[in-house]
Amino acid sequence: SQKIEQNSEALNIQEGKTATLTCNYTNYSPAYLQWYRQDPGRGPVFLLLIRENEKEKRKERLKVTFDTTLKQSLFHITASQPADSATYLCALDHSGGGADGLSFGIGSLLFIQP
Amino acid sequence: GAVVSQHPSRVICKSGTSVKIECRSLDFQATTMFWYRQFPKKSLMLMATSNEGSKATYEQGVEKDKFLINHASLTLSTLTVTSAHPEDSSFYICSATRTGIIQPQHFGDGTRLSIL
Repeated sequence: SQKIEQNSEALNIQEGKTATLTCNYTNYSPAYLQWYRQDPGRGPVFLLLIRENEKEKRKERLKVTFDTTLKQSLFHITASQPADSATYLCALDHSGGGADGLSFGIGSLLFIQP
Repeated sequence: GAVVSQHPSRVICKSGTSVKIECRSLDFQATTMFWYRQFPKKSLMLMATSNEGSKATYEQGVEKDKFLINHASLTLSTLTVTSAHPEDSSFYICSATRTGIIQPQHFGDGTRLSIL
């Protein structure tokens, strides 16, 4: 069956350090992978999209890698700040067609300690 | 840009009531909108894909007669939960994408539906 796995335990990071979150998937052949941020009681906010032929994508303090052989994406936040505390969701296109709804992981809860 | 507004943000109603949720793209035209449901401590689950001017496509296990979707314009999709029951209580979230393949999705802030 298809699975998207993210660390279910909360990650506590000291302010200023780099936070790294992992997303592993099985039985998917995604055309792209996305990362979203979700705060309690709110909808997800888009952060980064990386295509299957891209190895790495950066946006300000964020970096995403995508390894289609390992079926894994890593999401990094450098120089982390308390305001980065949130749940981060990994999402894949639902059926590989590129224009579908998304399948989400359960999300990784990140706490940045001041 | 890419703002999606969802209304209402919270609904509490009696069992058997039908509830309509609106999803609007405020500053772009959305050919496709999506409806998701999220239970506590669970991941978002895609319910259906809504295309402007055509019938919605529902995911396996989602009853189309229970969850009526209408996408009458390029900026508005509605989800009606018909004859809602307590098990329909959940967080419903819509998203919209701009035209084109491989576009990020822009989400509304969700509707917390509680059926008594």
